[in-house]
Amino acid sequence: GQSLEQPSEVTAVEGAIVQINCTYQTSGFYGLSWYQQHDGGAPTFLSYNALDGLEETGRFSSFLSRSDSYGYLLLQELQMKDSASYFCAANMDSNYQLIWGAGTKLIIKP
Amino acid sequence: ETGVTQSPTHLIKTRGQQVTLRCSSQSGHNTVSWYQQALGQGPQFIFQYYREEENGRGNFPPRFSGLQFPNYSSELNVNALELDDSALYLCASSLNQYQETQYFGPGTRLLVL
Repeated sequence: GQSLEQPSEVTAVEGAIVQINCTYQTSGFYGLSWYQQHDGGAPTFLSYNALDGLEETGRFSSFLSRSDSYGYLLLQELQMKDSASYFCAANMDSNYQLIWGAGTKLIIKP
Repeated sequence: ETGVTQSPTHLIKTRGQQVTLRCSSQSGHNTVSWYQQALGQGPQFIFQYYREEENGRGNFPPRFSGLQFPNYSSELNVNALELDDSALYLCASSLNQYQETQYFGPGTRLLVL
């Protein structure tokens, strides 16, 4: 089957750096997306990787390694407002669907 | 530029009923995708509409159906509601069917009793 694995919960301290890993097992994969979702809110797009390597967008960076079927989201200079769930999602070319991981709840402590 | 809107925000139905959820896509976007998100889980892809045609479907039964209109707004219809259909239904629009960047509406929270 097609699946994405990510940790269920990560805890970090305000101002620190945190990495959220994602491994995927899919066929027809062509890219990895990351979304943020606050409790009760809608997902918000953070980053997309189609090619291997690092993509940087402000405090957020995302990395992809196709050979390892692995990616991660890196959040720097953590702020309390970054407390949310973070989802990796695999873009598929077979039927245009986006397959989502179960999400990582990021808890930030002062 | 207007964002993605959905209606209604909340809905309560009973088992066996039918429901229609609506979504207006972001200006300039021709692709709309629908997702079901149960509490504490990731969104599950239901289907995608591109230029008024369904061009991708996830693992959902035929009682989940949809439409896309010429202005690219969309409807999700669910027949014969079951208790397990209780969830947050999210609509997302994108510039194309490859969905590198999707913009989500606030969702419709459906409760089936």
